[in-house]
Amino acid sequence: EVQLVESGGGLVQPGGSLRLSCTGSGFTFSIYSMNWVRQAPGKGLDWVSYISSSSSKIHYADSVRGRFTISRDNAKNSVYLQMDSLRAEDSAVYYCARADADYWGPGTLVTVSS
Amino acid sequence: QAGLTQPPSVSKGLRQTATLTCTGNSNNVGSHGATWLQQHQGHPPKLLSYTNNNRPSGISERFSASRSGNTASLTITGLHPEDEADYYCSAWDSSLSARVFGGGTKLTVL
Repeated sequence: EVQLVESGGGLVQPGGSLRLSCTGSGFTFSIYSMNWVRQAPGKGLDWVSYISSSSSKIHYADSVRGRFTISRDNAKNSVYLQMDSLRAEDSAVYYCARADADYWGPGTLVTVSS
Repeated sequence: QAGLTQPPSVSKGLRQTATLTCTGNSNNVGSHGATWLQQHQGHPPKLLSYTNNNRPSGISERFSASRSGNTASLTITGLHPEDEADYYCSAWDSSLSARVFGGGTKLTVL
């Protein structure tokens, strides 16, 4: 069974940083690209970032480019999202999603507030 | 980034058939197909259909996906109360180098 589990969310002040982690199991993690997708309360799904299986291709949404950094460690079956210079509008549940956004984790809540 | 277009809401009666649409362009749906996701309140999205329109194991045959040109469709037959949820489509956009989502369709089962 494919499983993804996120961690690292929490409450942070504007301008602060957080590092999210996502660990996969039940599939060969190293051959799949991964995404981070967020969802603000009561809103739709908002793609954040993509990383290819070998980390050779990385893409970001315009809203986070220059502030967020995606990375992965295939030996640990994990993908990460380093979030710097956080803003109130970054508050959302952050999900990791495999490849074509087929399988999703339960999400981790990030709240940016003073 | 521009997204895919979905109707905000669809209402159908119990045991009826609902068809949800997702319109993109030749850079996303037209060339890469779309994934369909179901989301109940307070839960993460759940896969209903891969980009090749195949269902994952465990998804009812009542859910079927198709594509014509730049528009993807999800048809749900014999509506059940538990089908009431938000439905999203998603596709990779090779022009934007970004994954795009539709705004979601809220399906109400009357």
